Amino acid sequence: LAKTTQPISMDSYEGQEVNITCSHNNIATNDYITWYQQFPSQGPRFIIQGYKTKVTNEVASLFIPADRKSSTLSLPRVSLSDTAVYYCLGMDSNYQLIWGAGTKLIIKP
Amino acid sequence: DAGVIQSPRHEVTEMGQEVTLRCKPISGHNSLFWYRQTMMRGLELLIYFNNNVPIDDSGMPEDRFSAKMPNASFSTLKIQPSEPRDSAVYFCASGWGLPGDEQFFGPGTRLTVL
Repeated sequence: LAKTTQPISMDSYEGQEVNITCSHNNIATNDYITWYQQFPSQGPRFIIQGYKTKVTNEVASLFIPADRKSSTLSLPRVSLSDTAVYYCLGMDSNYQLIWGAGTKLIIKP
Repeated sequence: DAGVIQSPRHEVTEMGQEVTLRCKPISGHNSLFWYRQTMMRGLELLIYFNNNVPIDDSGMPEDRFSAKMPNASFSTLKIQPSEPRDSAVYFCASGWGLPGDEQFFGPGTRLTVL
């Protein structure tokens, strides 16, 4: 049974780099791993996705090892506005979406 | 584009009443998703349409829930009869392709069943 597991919560400080790791058990070998960000009273918003190795965009980096059993979202130099819930998402072998339970990230001044 | 539009934004109803939630996806998108979010169960995919056809409804909790997509620009999620345990935020999302591709979420409908 495919499952994604991520920490319930994390704290950090402004200006720090934050890494959130998600473990994926039995996800499909040929589909993306995706991360979303959600602010209170809003729908989730796409941050980044990747298939393997490293992907970087203007807001984050995503590291995926060769075995694809985990992924790490890296947020460089966080600010207070990065306080949100972060979800990882994969697909199982039956192409069912597997959402993580979300990591509540709190950034302190 | 205005993004995904959902209505109503808030709905309060009494147990046993019929509830209809509405969604207008982003123009040009061919995939549409309905989700339910609660503190206890997190984000749950209820149903996924592709080109207006239901592809996966395995997340629909029971026969009281039904969803339709009569055309590419409109979808509804209906609960009949509603129960207090249906209280949640319901999100609609749309995208260009497969479920694993980027999804664009609407603002959600907060449903309270008394």
